[in-house]
Amino acid sequence: IAGITQAPTSQILAAGRRMTLRCTQDMRHNAMYWYRQDLGLGLRLIHYSNTAGTTGKGEVPDGYSVSRANTDDFPLTLASAVPSQTSVYFCASSETGNNEQFFGPGTRLTVL
Amino acid sequence: GQNIDQPTEMTATEGAIVQINCTYQTSGFNGLFWYQQHAGEAPTFLSYNVLDGLEEKGRFSSFLSRSKGYSYLLLKELQMKDSASYLCAVRDGDYKLSFGAGTTVTVRA
Repeated sequence: IAGITQAPTSQILAAGRRMTLRCTQDMRHNAMYWYRQDLGLGLRLIHYSNTAGTTGKGEVPDGYSVSRANTDDFPLTLASAVPSQTSVYFCASSETGNNEQFFGPGTRLTVL
Repeated sequence: GQNIDQPTEMTATEGAIVQINCTYQTSGFNGLFWYQQHAGEAPTFLSYNVLDGLEEKGRFSSFLSRSKGYSYLLLKELQMKDSASYLCAVRDGDYKLSFGAGTTVTVRA
């Protein structure tokens, strides 16, 4: 594969459950990002990582956590899902923070 | 933070030209990006401006005026496949992107 993969493609989740969205890239990009996209609001940054071993908070980090144990993987965890976390989640990567970002296909998450 | 404004919707005829405007207010500026997003798909990179002026790439051109906090994306010779959302995004001094809500362009025959 070349590019970014995300799993699952879609998920329906009961409120209060824990969920991890997976993101893997094989381009050896240093920087990775998680966004959520909601109608009328555009893409909003949740968390980011400029390089393996480091992470940072974006615009809407509450209720989410990330880890970056290696270059390729950047999982996003919802510790206790709430209905307001219903959204489409996109993972992205870039060679460095100074380059264009490439986006994964997205995960559609519904929290009931 | 960033405040990025772009029109919600635009409609144009096949073969025509459409200009999508984007205005921004930033706390630090490190470049402006345009992305295209078809319904149900991921955004894909179209263009990047960091200096004032026009960048041309085939049927698509993007313009930037940093002093005015203004950019536009120009789509020429519109095709049906250009029907999509177009996202304006500004990179701040920490190299993080902030996106506008997107402009949905509908191309009609």
